[in-house]
Amino acid sequence: EVQLVQSGAEVKKPGESLKISCKGSGYSFTTYWIDWVRQMPGKGLEWMGTIYPGDSDITYSPSFQGQVTISVDKALTTAYLQWSSLKASDTAMYYCVRERLGAFDIWGQGTMVTVSS
Amino acid sequence: EIVLTQSPGTLSLSPGERATLSCRASQSVSSTYLAWYQQKPGQAPRLLIYGASSRATGIPDRFSGSGSGTDFTLTISRLEPEDFAVYYCQQYGSSPRRWTFGQGTKVEIK
Repeated sequence: EVQLVQSGAEVKKPGESLKISCKGSGYSFTTYWIDWVRQMPGKGLEWMGTIYPGDSDITYSPSFQGQVTISVDKALTTAYLQWSSLKASDTAMYYCVRERLGAFDIWGQGTMVTVSS
Repeated sequence: EIVLTQSPGTLSLSPGERATLSCRASQSVSSTYLAWYQQKPGQAPRLLIYGASSRATGIPDRFSGSGSGTDFTLTISRLEPEDFAVYYCQQYGSSPRRWTFGQGTKVEIK
């Protein structure tokens, strides 16, 4: 079964760092782009950026450039999204997705990140 | 930057009725990269339509997509109780790579 399994919910304080993960299985991990999507509470979907696991080619949305870091470990078939200094406004659900057929065909279950003092 | 505008914001319909959702782009987009998603409360979105009109695996044929250029439509021919959800359109742009979502249309039970 093709799936993306994300790490569990996180509760952090402002200023803390965080790295969440997304493990792919059931397909050739290195040959499909992996993207990250943010959904703030009660709001719509926002594309954050994308990485090609085959060569770690990365593109960020201008809205998220400099705010997060996307990376990948091919050996572990895992993509990551990290923050060096969280803000309350980073509170959201974060989804990793696989690109295929010109769309996002597989979605992780989501990782809820709560940032509160 | 291409902006996708979905209308209406909320659609109030009864089970069995036809739903027509609109997605309008601020400039012409490639149909190859126009997709629709369904999101139910507490769940991750699910791909319904890709390439403007192709149904994803396992999607019932009551869902159909159409359109080209700047105007795209998702139609649900007869609403089932499980279809009440939020629907998003999405498009891809290259140079540089970027994806854009519409703001969503909520289909609610009337």
